[in-house]
Amino acid sequence: AIQLTQSPSSLSASVGDRVTITCRASQGISSALAWYQQKPGKAPKLLIYDASSLESGVPSRFSGSGSGTDFTLTISSLQPEDFATYYCQQFNSYPLRITFGPGTKVDIK
Amino acid sequence: QVQLVESGGGVVQPGGSLRLSCAASGFTFSSYGMHWVRQAPGKGLEWVAFIRYDGSNKYYADSVKGRFTISRDNSKNTLYLQMNSLRAEDTAVYYCAKDLGELLGAFDIWGQGTMVTVSS
Repeated sequence: AIQLTQSPSSLSASVGDRVTITCRASQGISSALAWYQQKPGKAPKLLIYDASSLESGVPSRFSGSGSGTDFTLTISSLQPEDFATYYCQQFNSYPLRITFGPGTKVDIK
Repeated sequence: QVQLVESGGGVVQPGGSLRLSCAASGFTFSSYGMHWVRQAPGKGLEWVAFIRYDGSNKYYADSVKGRFTISRDNSKNTLYLQMNSLRAEDTAVYYCAKDLGELLGAFDIWGQGTMVTVSS
């Protein structure tokens, strides 16, 4: 089974900072990777799919890149509402296997 | 508006059963694949099961295979998860989630979640 690792597991940042979160897959997954934001007590929210496609309605300060095994989520200028936990998720179509990374918590410095 | 609303969670003893429901509105339910995803208290996300738009194919995580059954009723715009032989490790918030397409492997709409607690 494909495993995902995320780094860092947590980070502290200030409003306006540029933040980068990395997700690494244990084997190549082409661009079948998504990123989600989750706030406490809430359902996750899709930010990025197909590694770099911005979901409708998501602010343009969020961007995704990468393919194969190494992927990145970047927040260009951190806003107060961005403090949350971020998960990457991979998708393998046959056999169907979907796994999430362990998460990266972004909190206020 | 586009919405998913889960129901059916609760407290159940180990070995017991529970059926979750997910009512969809605001989109053409019968055109999209649907998933269940769970999150144990204080833990990360775990994909549980998927069903194709027409119910023709179903896939499960190894952790629930043989115990859980996903199904759907497109006439009622409702997704289900039948959970049997429940274990303590099944304790989690269960979310239903809409696939971006037929099976694109990303979840663009999520319900609010329903809590399942397996405990004696």
